[in-house]
Amino acid sequence: SQQGEEDPQALSIQEGENATMNCSYKTSINNLQWYRQNSGRGLVHLILIRSNEREKHSGRLRVTLDTSKKSSSLLITASRAADTASYFCATDHNNAGNMLTFGGGTRLMVKP
Amino acid sequence: DARVTQTPRDKVTEMGQEVTMRCQPILGHNTVFWYRQTMMQGLELLAYFRNRAPLDDSGMPKDRFSAEMPDATLATLKIQPSEPRDSAVYFCASGSSKTQYFGPGTRLLVL
Repeated sequence: SQQGEEDPQALSIQEGENATMNCSYKTSINNLQWYRQNSGRGLVHLILIRSNEREKHSGRLRVTLDTSKKSSSLLITASRAADTASYFCATDHNNAGNMLTFGGGTRLMVKP
Repeated sequence: DARVTQTPRDKVTEMGQEVTMRCQPILGHNTVFWYRQTMMQGLELLAYFRNRAPLDDSGMPKDRFSAEMPDATLATLKIQPSEPRDSAVYFCASGSSKTQYFGPGTRLLVL
């Protein structure tokens, strides 16, 4: 299966709740990134976490990385209806040049 | 506000026709990627270039797809002949392994 598999595939929550998405990968990485895609649009880079980092914050986003488990999580706190989108993790592997490998994505719906 | 641009935004064509999609990467970015996105397969890397040279096009069906960068401001993806299974959204992105900047995509429908 693909590197960077997200879990769950779909998530529906109420506005104000937190949303947690997980990503697993198979081989060692230089960094892991999260992207967001609104319906009908291109992907937008959200945050990057390097392989030697364990946690990173950006506004309402918190990303964790556990290289021993080859997994990452993206937490969106105090979600808003505008956070409704698909979220993808992407992995930069040591021998892949500038290539990123994208997972299948989590479709998040935040209900007002 | 630098951004990746793609044309056309939408394309409807008949099976067997040639389709050409164009991308203008962000000025100064030396790596350009072509992706295809479908509901069934998700986001697939088709090809990518660094300094206009193709580095990897293993994700691309070679018999009908071709990708080129005639100059630093233009990348093209061509399908000839097109087939209904090529219907998808095609994204161009430029940047590096640190960040990729995606264009808005070309939505292709092959009838």
